[in-house]
Amino acid sequence: QSALTQPASVSGSPGQSITISCTGTSSDVGAYNYVSWYQQHPGTAPKLMIYDVRNRPSGVSIRFSGSKSGNTASLTISGLQAEDEADYYCNSYTSSSAWVFGGGTKLTVL
Amino acid sequence: QVQLVQSGAEVKKPGSSVKVSCKASGGTFSRRAISWVRQAPGQGLQWMGRIIPVPGIPNYAQSFQGRLTITADKSTSTVYMELSSLRSEDTAVYYCARVHGLTGSTDGKYFDYWGQGTLVTVSS
Repeated sequence: QSALTQPASVSGSPGQSITISCTGTSSDVGAYNYVSWYQQHPGTAPKLMIYDVRNRPSGVSIRFSGSKSGNTASLTISGLQAEDEADYYCNSYTSSSAWVFGGGTKLTVL
Repeated sequence: QVQLVQSGAEVKKPGSSVKVSCKASGGTFSRRAISWVRQAPGQGLQWMGRIIPVPGIPNYAQSFQGRLTITADKSTSTVYMELSSLRSEDTAVYYCARVHGLTGSTDGKYFDYWGQGTLVTVSS
């Protein structure tokens, strides 16, 4: 199972919006609405930010939103804040009853 | 409050095995799968496998087939990950993570709680 494809890095200024894409196949991202997104700050465990494509867990800012079209999912962060600077990983459940992560995207807040 | 607490860091020789534990508390241990995810230094996350604690059925990523064994001890709410034939490329932080959905459900295919991570260093 190949990793999902994410851009290696994105950047934005405080207050701006950014979008991170996550491209898979018809066996994972395109097969189900089981895409999730995780935020990871250095030296810490990943934190769930979005599940089932577009749902936010309790406590996650409404500035984080998710969507999907075909085999590509996206995470959008609006009103960028310094604390959003982190690595972001997409994840999808697959038709093989397994999970696959994206390669990760480093977000820099300028 | 769900917590996953992992065992401490390990240093292993190439060719040996390592066993990492993940003790769960505060949730319904037997009815939710526990996955293992690793992260090599400076690299991304890699899903390794998962187990449904009851009845203890594992499922492994193809790249780890034959080297990975995941087991569960219902009596102590602990899941174990054993990786054999270690090589330097296995140096990584290993995380356990709970799958949200109850066993048999068609939703909840995401990781809602994570352990703190265990650093495994493979070096001669």
